[in-house]
Parts: sequence; C-alpha cells; structure tokens
Amino acid sequence: GAGVSQSPSNKVTEKGKDVELRCDPISGHTALYWYRQSLGQGLEFLIYFQGNSAPDKSGLPSDRFSAERTGGSVSTLTIQRTQQEDSAVYLCASIGGPGHTDTQYFGPGTRLTVL
Amino acid sequence: GENVEQHPSTLSVQEGDSAVIKCTYSDSASNYFPWYKQELGKRPQLIIDIRSNVGEKKDQRIAVTLNKTAKHFSLHITETQPEDSAVYFCAASILYRGFGNEKLTFGTGTRLTIIP
Repeated sequence: GAGVSQSPSNKVTEKGKDVELRCDPISGHTALYWYRQSLGQGLEFLIYFQGNSAPDKSGLPSDRFSAERTGGSVSTLTIQRTQQEDSAVYLCASIGGPGHTDTQYFGPGTRLTVL
Repeated sequence: GENVEQHPSTLSVQEGDSAVIKCTYSDSASNYFPWYKQELGKRPQLIIDIRSNVGEKKDQRIAVTLNKTAKHFSLHITETQPEDSAVYFCAASILYRGFGNEKLTFGTGTRLTIIP
C-alpha cells in the first residue's frame, strides 16, 4: 500500500506564528514516531505514539511543541510561537503491529523554515 | 538513556573498494540495530538491520556485524559504486516483537563519498 505521507512538504513561517505538521502513517501501523533533522545533522527523536497515546514525549524540546494522534492514524505536530531554531526537517515514521514488519518507514518530511 | 556514537563522520573511498562504518551503543537492553541511507534531500531509507540474536547479516554488497559483548556494530559495503554516495545513519532501539519499538536513537551520520 501507500507509504508514510507528510504535509506540507515545505512550510515557511514568520517567527512567533504557530504551525501544524501532518503525518499519515502506513495503513494499519500502530506506532508512529516524530523526529527532527537540522541541516547536516542527525535525527533527533521528538515523540512516539502507540495507538493514540504517547508513552514517550521525552524528545519534545519545549512546551511550545505538542503532538496528538487521533483514530490511531493521522498525527499532527504543532509548534507554537515558532522560533528560528525550530527550522529543520520534521520526519515521521510508522511501524506495524502484530503480523507487520518491525521496520520504521519514514515519510518524506516537512521542511520548516522560520524567518 | 541510549547513546549511539558513529565513526567516521566522513569517509571517502575509491570506487570498487570497501567501506566500513562503525557504531557503539550504551544500553545493553537494545536489541535492534538498523542502518539507514539518506541521499541529499530525501528521506532515510532502511538498507539493512540486525537483531541481537545474530552476529552477522548480509544482503548482496552490504553486511552488518554485531558484537553484543562490546556493544558495537558495523556496516560493511563491498565493491562500492558511485550510487553508494550518501549519508549513512546507524541506530539502536529496544524492539518489542510485533508491537513496535521504542524510539530509535541515531548516530550522528557518516557522509560516504565514492571516488570514481
């Protein structure tokens, strides 16, 4: 079936504005992960969902960041009052439940630029 | 928490030669070690993974070895080709079979350049 999709692919915003980033995981995948990749850097874990609950939010950099997942499917990452240091590519990945592979498949990412 | 270190940060090899990238991890509970290849401007793509119940896995020109005692694992690419040029990331995680896994902790990446 279709892979992980994310929208928008690119987002340019002004400092102080709020943004919402969307992730559509592979159908049937129960776990969903958000990562952030700054230019030329590695991948930084943000938050992990199992179903609609988030057992691990330890990577969220500040209380300006939040995420939710509804219906065990789509997830939204919200960044409030964006700062220039929030500029990065935000990647999500999903993984299946019983009977599915254990591999994390990544979406294409959303490139966020905060001016 | 888990800490993954990756070396080298950059690696240049002549086409046809072999490339080796090494990673160490800190959490002895980690049992799943994937390797991702990321081409410029694209998403990370899994190229090979290994679980802690095996010491080596091979897929054509790519192989991964795992030493649980020393807590290190390595990626080996043989007969390198120009299309192997990319950034490679190792990662470690605790895998709960069939129910997903905890977060992947990534290494900082190795930029591999294949010289024609």
